[in-house]
Amino acid sequence: QVQLQESGPGLVKPSETLSLTCSVSGGSISSTDYYWGWIRQPPGKGLEWIGSIYYSGSTYYNPSLKSPVTISVDTSKNQFSLKLSSVTAADTAVYYCARHSSTWTIDYWGQGALVTVSS
Amino acid sequence: EIVLTQSPDFQSVTPKEKVTITCRASQSIGGSLHWYQQKPDQSPKLLIKFASQSISGVPSKFSGSGSGTDFTLTINSPETEDAATYYCHQTSTLPWTFGQGTKVEIK
Repeated sequence: QVQLQESGPGLVKPSETLSLTCSVSGGSISSTDYYWGWIRQPPGKGLEWIGSIYYSGSTYYNPSLKSPVTISVDTSKNQFSLKLSSVTAADTAVYYCARHSSTWTIDYWGQGALVTVSS
Repeated sequence: EIVLTQSPDFQSVTPKEKVTITCRASQSIGGSLHWYQQKPDQSPKLLIKFASQSISGVPSKFSGSGSGTDFTLTINSPETEDAATYYCHQTSTLPWTFGQGTKVEIK
């Protein structure tokens, strides 16, 4: 059974960089069958896809995000990471890491990590 | 980007009633539409993939239909445990997008 676990600071100051890591267990992040992604959910609101990465490093980003996004993968640690630069209060959300199947459905989700942007 | 519009935003039903949620896409997405259930303080869970394909472990009371721009999620004989917010999600065209969600209450 695949499990995903987000980790990182729960509080980030405005204009700084939000950084989260997703640790994957029960499966290899180097599998050719899956992509790995980040989705966020502002408090009381809906879901927004941020971006995804393949084990090779190929990335796919949502151009609608106002803050610059970087997603990277570390196959040696079975982890992938999210960096969101120059954050504002609008980036306050629960951030989920997730596994996409080869057809992009999201079949596993992490438990989510609340990140608050505030001074 | 493709906009997904769900209706209604909120639905309250008794256990004898059927829940019907629709999802309309701003352009044709073929069958690349999936449904998720999110209970309070939980991560979303995949219910239906590619409009109508069932997911292992998901009760058969959940079913989906549609293609192109109009899709439907149906919950037959809902139970109190089905109270949740339901989201549609398209993977036809990047960026992937979600509907705004439909909150379902079981009276």
